[in-house]
Amino acid sequence: DAKTTQPTSMDCAEGRAANLPCNHSTISGNEYVYWYRQIHSQGPQYIIHGLKNNETNEMASLIITEDRKSSTLILPHATLRDTAVYYCIVSLPPGTASKLTFGTGTRLQVTL
Amino acid sequence: DGGITQSPKYLFRKEGQNVTLSCEQNLNHDAMYWYRQDPGQGLRLIYYSQIVNDFQKGDIAEGYSVSREKKESFPLTVTSAQKNPTAFYLCASRGQIYGYTFGSGTRLTVV
Repeated sequence: DAKTTQPTSMDCAEGRAANLPCNHSTISGNEYVYWYRQIHSQGPQYIIHGLKNNETNEMASLIITEDRKSSTLILPHATLRDTAVYYCIVSLPPGTASKLTFGTGTRLQVTL
Repeated sequence: DGGITQSPKYLFRKEGQNVTLSCEQNLNHDAMYWYRQDPGQGLRLIYYSQIVNDFQKGDIAEGYSVSREKKESFPLTVTSAQKNPTAFYLCASRGQIYGYTFGSGTRLTVV
């Protein structure tokens, strides 16, 4: 699995959009970008994933650059409950059994 | 509801004792994983299993053992050979659509 690079921490005001970047310059053609988040002392929660097209669901949007070497997770209207560690992971397609490598992620602090 | 159940939530172990952490899933997923998380750190892979009766070592397998006798179950044993077992342990399974589903974790403390 390709490695990813994320900022250690970010702050965001409540109600504003939170934009979390991720670099994955060694991504392979068949690898997806996944985002998970972990609220303190809980298991990570799936947010969104994509291959090359931008994706949106009820939680967030995922923007992947055309060369697929980086992506951005967007939480459109951050709330205090979005305070968590966000992990960007590159891995084989859903349903493919392989290792999932977690880095240290980005600690997002949403403030009033 | 389908999901992953880890038990117990908190576990205390005396030094020199083996202890087994339970992980059960009813998602019909083939692949299951065990991760360890230390304070302020990311997740590190201990063992994973892609199919019943088969498993592979992850990045930090020393001092741990697993079994996969049933599709639904993937217990992790922390042996006395693990020198620093105090940590938060997470079990996960991998599905066809969303990728990984995680349990709520077991916090192990050596006393």
